[in-house]
Amino acid sequence: RKEVEQDPGPFNVPEGATVAFNCTYSNSASQSFFWYRQDCRKEPKLLMSVYSSGNEDGRFTAQLNRASQYISLLIRDSKLSDSATYLCVMGGFKTIFGAGTRLFVKA
Amino acid sequence: DAGVTQSPTHLIKTRGQQVTLRCSPKSGHDTVSWYQQALGQGPQFIFQYYEEEERQRGNFPDRFSGHQFPNYSSELNVNALLLGDSALYLCASSFAGQGYEQYFGPGTRLTVT
Repeated sequence: RKEVEQDPGPFNVPEGATVAFNCTYSNSASQSFFWYRQDCRKEPKLLMSVYSSGNEDGRFTAQLNRASQYISLLIRDSKLSDSATYLCVMGGFKTIFGAGTRLFVKA
Repeated sequence: DAGVTQSPTHLIKTRGQQVTLRCSPKSGHDTVSWYQQALGQGPQFIFQYYEEEERQRGNFPDRFSGHQFPNYSSELNVNALLLGDSALYLCASSFAGQGYEQYFGPGTRLTVT
């Protein structure tokens, strides 16, 4: 089993849609989690940090369920500019990235 | 506020050669981590440097080594290059006391022929 597993995608959604990504992790002791977005051939950029049960930033909401060991990212009112790969990350000294989920938002 | 910088941007090497990649962390950061990202995959953790010492290491062979300087900048060295080492090499910096939030540089794209 991979340490961090994500929905494989790709997700194809129209503008204005709500889309949710799930991610499961294996290390129950991990204390910090992150979502990064990565545009094609660019570096990952920090989107949200998740330390407690969840976090919200504008159209983006991240939730953490420690009992089930999963993290979710919800994007409301999708924009064309949200098209990217979203990486789920389990933090710690050995930071572990998921393989990423590709999102395509269409006009 | 200067972000994370890396050099060079692109590099082409031949099998068996050695390569050195460089990274300068974001201002105020003291920890540098290196990652390898193959096409279509998430970044894979190579190692992390803090206070000029390797603090943690991922599942990479000893051909991969690094160094951190007193100014917190860092180098990644790869010896005896293999075709499979072709990838995007990413450097990320963080402040040790801030919960592992890492900020990435633009990466060095290494091609081994």
